[in-house]
Amino acid sequence: KQEVTQIPAALSVPEGENLVLNCSFTDSAIYNLQWFRQDPGKGLTSLLLIQSSQREQTSGRLNASLDKSSGRSTLYIAASQPGDSATYLCAALRSNDYKLSFGAGTTVTVRA
Amino acid sequence: NAGVTQTPKFRILKIGQSMTLQCTQDMNHNYMYWYRQDPGMGLKLIYYSVGAGITDKGEVPNGYNVSRSTTEDFPLRLELAAPSQTSVYFCASSYSPGADTQYFGPGTRLTVL
Repeated sequence: KQEVTQIPAALSVPEGENLVLNCSFTDSAIYNLQWFRQDPGKGLTSLLLIQSSQREQTSGRLNASLDKSSGRSTLYIAASQPGDSATYLCAALRSNDYKLSFGAGTTVTVRA
Repeated sequence: NAGVTQTPKFRILKIGQSMTLQCTQDMNHNYMYWYRQDPGMGLKLIYYSVGAGITDKGEVPNGYNVSRSTTEDFPLRLELAAPSQTSVYFCASSYSPGADTQYFGPGTRLTVL
């Protein structure tokens, strides 16, 4: 059974600081690893998808890395802004049944 | 292009009542999913569908039922609501589970009293 863990559960940083969000998973048999953003009272929005054969994926100020062998992914957000305040969830797509296993998320607050 | 829409946004039910959560997508996706999200927890898969007429159970299907008569719609039925079903429910769809991400609706916040 795939277990996905995100530590810390919450993070508060001053504006301009770089953010580092961690995600670990127990079963390396994944098809891809996805990062989502969730704003309060809203649905999830996809940020980045890293295929199992890739090491990283970038979009603007966001960069996500994947190390399948160690069961880790990291989301980096450069030069954080108050608008980056949200909950960030990672999810691993299992290879055997193509279902997503979600972490509980890291809630980020960027202070102006 | 509205994406994935869900109704209602909020609902309060009494124990033992039933209701249907509606989900519609306009992206012509074959794959559709229902999740629940409890406070401080990751999303849990309730049911999913790989196309019209085909549904299957996820991790937490007890107390729920689904049907998929069209590509666009994937309603979730709660029978005999219980306090343990108090949660936020999300519907999602995708073109291909491996190559594509899932697109989520805004959610339905359900309280059972």
